Amino acid sequence: GAVVSQHPSWVICKSGTSVKIECRSLDFQATTMFWYRQFPKQSLMLMATSNEGSKATYEQGVEKDKFLINHASLTLSTLTVTSAHPEDSSFYICSAPARGVGGGNQPQHFGDGTRLSIL
Amino acid sequence: QKEVEQDPGPLSVPEGAIVSLNCTYSNSAFQYFMWYRQYSRKGPELLMYTYSSGNKEDGRFTAQVDKSSKYISLFIRDSQPSDSATYLCAMSAYSGAGSYQLTFGKGTKLSVIP
Repeated sequence: GAVVSQHPSWVICKSGTSVKIECRSLDFQATTMFWYRQFPKQSLMLMATSNEGSKATYEQGVEKDKFLINHASLTLSTLTVTSAHPEDSSFYICSAPARGVGGGNQPQHFGDGTRLSIL
Repeated sequence: QKEVEQDPGPLSVPEGAIVSLNCTYSNSAFQYFMWYRQYSRKGPELLMYTYSSGNKEDGRFTAQVDKSSKYISLFIRDSQPSDSATYLCAMSAYSGAGSYQLTFGKGTKLSVIP
């Protein structure tokens, strides 16, 4: 079964709306979660690293005021797309490091993604 | 040159065929190698994970890593229509503060024809 849950799976909203996406680790704690963006027929591009109890680390070119990340607890990270516009339409996916592998070198488990469509 | 190169396909094979998927990379710092399967409009699903050169087998799947050539492969035996998906290779390197960052290939779209 899924170890990372992402909600909602699909959002359609008007331009200018802010949209919040939730990412939960279901049966393990994750001090770090990752947020990716994926365009059609493209690979995943890392947007930011979400850190529990501290500020997120954003990749170059990602607007931190546009994509607000809050790692509220050890099992929940949220991504808020503020004042969304059509160019923000994309597939957003979160991930958390898997359990059972030592150190920081863990493979990641991914949520099922959120399809965001801005009209 | 991109850090990770993967032929996007599409690749179409008959049911029962052996499938070979490949990625090359240029960054010697990559230490861990993964293969993910992604169905349409879903998140990637981890298939294989390895950190050393050589082969790792799991059922019908075999992952192969050749660090000297900076080349990794995923073999699928007795392919099934349910294997039809996009396969992404991913590699990770230490990025500091106890964290590893993944770099993905573009993905290869596979279709297994009944």
